[in-house]
Amino acid sequence: RKEVEQDPGPFNVPEGATVAFNCTYSNSASQSFFWYRQDCRKEPKLLMSVYSSGNEDGRFTAQLNRASQYISLLIRDSKLSDSATYLCVVNGAGNMLTFGGGTRLMVKP
Amino acid sequence: GAVVSQHPSWVICKSGTSVKIECRSLDFQATTMFWYRQFPKQSLMLMATSNEGSKATYEQGVEKDKFLINHASLTLSTLTVTSAHPEDSSFYICSASLDLETQYFGPGTRLLVL
Repeated sequence: RKEVEQDPGPFNVPEGATVAFNCTYSNSASQSFFWYRQDCRKEPKLLMSVYSSGNEDGRFTAQLNRASQYISLLIRDSKLSDSATYLCVVNGAGNMLTFGGGTRLMVKP
Repeated sequence: GAVVSQHPSWVICKSGTSVKIECRSLDFQATTMFWYRQFPKQSLMLMATSNEGSKATYEQGVEKDKFLINHASLTLSTLTVTSAHPEDSSFYICSASLDLETQYFGPGTRLLVL
């Protein structure tokens, strides 16, 4: 079983749609959680951290369920520019990041 | 935010040659730098963790004699792919850690070995 699992997609959605990505992690000792965005042939960039209480940043909402070891990302009112691969990332001991395989999103006009 | 650079951004080389990739933290001192590799349509895989002034810690399956890492200062780490072969062609990305929470990624180096 992979340490961090994501549905690879692709998710093809029209502009303006709401789309949700899920992620599960296997290490219950994981300490912090993030969503990164990676554009084609570019390095990953931090989209947002994920807090136990849930957090929102504009159109993006992230949630964490430690009991189920489950993380989600919700994108509202999708834009064409949201098309990218979204990586679920878990930070364990020693600041070691473990990346999920990524979920590819394609937003179409 | 913190800036990390990598050089070169891309390199094409013949099989058997060695390639050095530099990773620099431009506006902060990074106690720890990380090297990742990403094959097409796959996620990033951690290769090694590099601490300034000490030997790098390699992940299982990564050959330390093939991927030489030097972390000479708090702002510079280098990865040398020795005797590169076509299967080493990949996207190599470094990151630098400012604190225990955040890693800042370099723009990556695309390596193609012919």
